[in-house]
Amino acid sequence: DMKVTQMPRYLIKRMGENVLLECGQDMSHETMYWYRQDPGLGLQLIYISYDVDSNSEGDIPKGYRVSRKKREHFSLILDSAKTNQTSVYFCASSLQDEQYFGPGTRLTVL
Amino acid sequence: GEQVEQLPSILRVQEGSSASINCTYENSASNYFPWYKQEPGENPKLIIDIRSNMERKQTQGLIVLLDKKAKRFSLHITDTQPGDSAMYFCAASGNMGYKLTFGTGTSLLVDP
Repeated sequence: DMKVTQMPRYLIKRMGENVLLECGQDMSHETMYWYRQDPGLGLQLIYISYDVDSNSEGDIPKGYRVSRKKREHFSLILDSAKTNQTSVYFCASSLQDEQYFGPGTRLTVL
Repeated sequence: GEQVEQLPSILRVQEGSSASINCTYENSASNYFPWYKQEPGENPKLIIDIRSNMERKQTQGLIVLLDKKAKRFSLHITDTQPGDSAMYFCAASGNMGYKLTFGTGTSLLVDP
């Protein structure tokens, strides 16, 4: 059963704190993605990773960075979180075009 | 890049009727058009997709149409049921390394 996992599922941080969101997949997919979802805006691509240490900016990379040291893991890092980064973050992975999404992380920055 | 517009943003229908959601895209090089269904508190799930070498695809009460000339694609749900109530997102992807650009979503409510 193909699976994308995300940890944590819920997170509350204060402005200025660092945030680490983790994503894992068990399908040996080369490509992984980080999106954020806000009401009325749909899903916006933050970063895409084509394989280990092969990462590219998406449409809204400012304020975020990523790390992919193993094919099955893709991390999203917020250095000094801001209140406007409060959102639901989804990780996804794909073999080619079809993307499979994780359950999401709801991040609140106070 | 790519821009995808999705309409309507809200759609309310009676059980048993059909529902249609329309999307337009800008980049004529886009060649993959998936549709995702997202229920409250859940992740988006792929329900059907179509590639640019097709004009129509149908599966289990879902029909997608693609008009490359007009750069428009649409999802049609036949015989809607209350379980079809959810957010629906269209997306488009071209020769940009599997990057998907999503529409802003349609909230479908099926009244029993």
